[in-house]
Amino acid sequence: NAGVTQTPKFRILKIGQSMTLQCTQDMNHNYMYWYRQDPGMGLKLIYYSVGAGITDKGEVPNGYNVSRSTTEDFPLRLELAAPSQTSVYFCASSYLSGSNQPQHFGDGTRLSIL
Amino acid sequence: DAKTTQPPSMDCAEGRAANLPCNHSTISGNEYVYWYRQIHSQGPQYIIHGLKNNETNEMASLIITEDRKSSTLILPHATLRDTAVYYCIVRVAKYGNKLVFGAGTILRVKS
Repeated sequence: NAGVTQTPKFRILKIGQSMTLQCTQDMNHNYMYWYRQDPGMGLKLIYYSVGAGITDKGEVPNGYNVSRSTTEDFPLRLELAAPSQTSVYFCASSYLSGSNQPQHFGDGTRLSIL
Repeated sequence: DAKTTQPPSMDCAEGRAANLPCNHSTISGNEYVYWYRQIHSQGPQYIIHGLKNNETNEMASLIITEDRKSSTLILPHATLRDTAVYYCIVRVAKYGNKLVFGAGTILRVKS
């Protein structure tokens, strides 16, 4: 099982450019999440999805967009990259909606905006 | 939302048990306690979770006090590869299954 796969692993963007961070999971999980982690800090939730076609904002959604057209994929879009979006981005997924289901994380995308 | 308090760092000798404490005095009755860890440059890794009873799996044991206001993660025989940041998290109901990550505890296992 691949689990949660994120691409690319590294990316450098110029200010104002756009890009999509890809996330796919092969565990048939309903819930998917995007977090960002700034240096020396804990993770902060950007967006999450409880199933295909349903998304909702987390703690820090500004500057990002998401879509969930399939159960497997949950891409994160940056429309106008800003230096404040330099961070490590983690995608996660979990099964069903039970409060005791652990989240499984990908290895992250390291993004630098210059 | 229940918050957690963890010591910023701890050291442990290789081969000894590592006991990582966590306070969560405002936890509500239906909230679980989760432990994750993050080894440098990798995604967070799930370790264990529990509600009321003590739990054990192949990685660790979780001891939760009877009043549920604190817990301890035990790595029975720490190795150098267990050096990581350990996060104690109480599941927040507001955003579905959202996890709120604090600063965690940096565990350094030394030979």
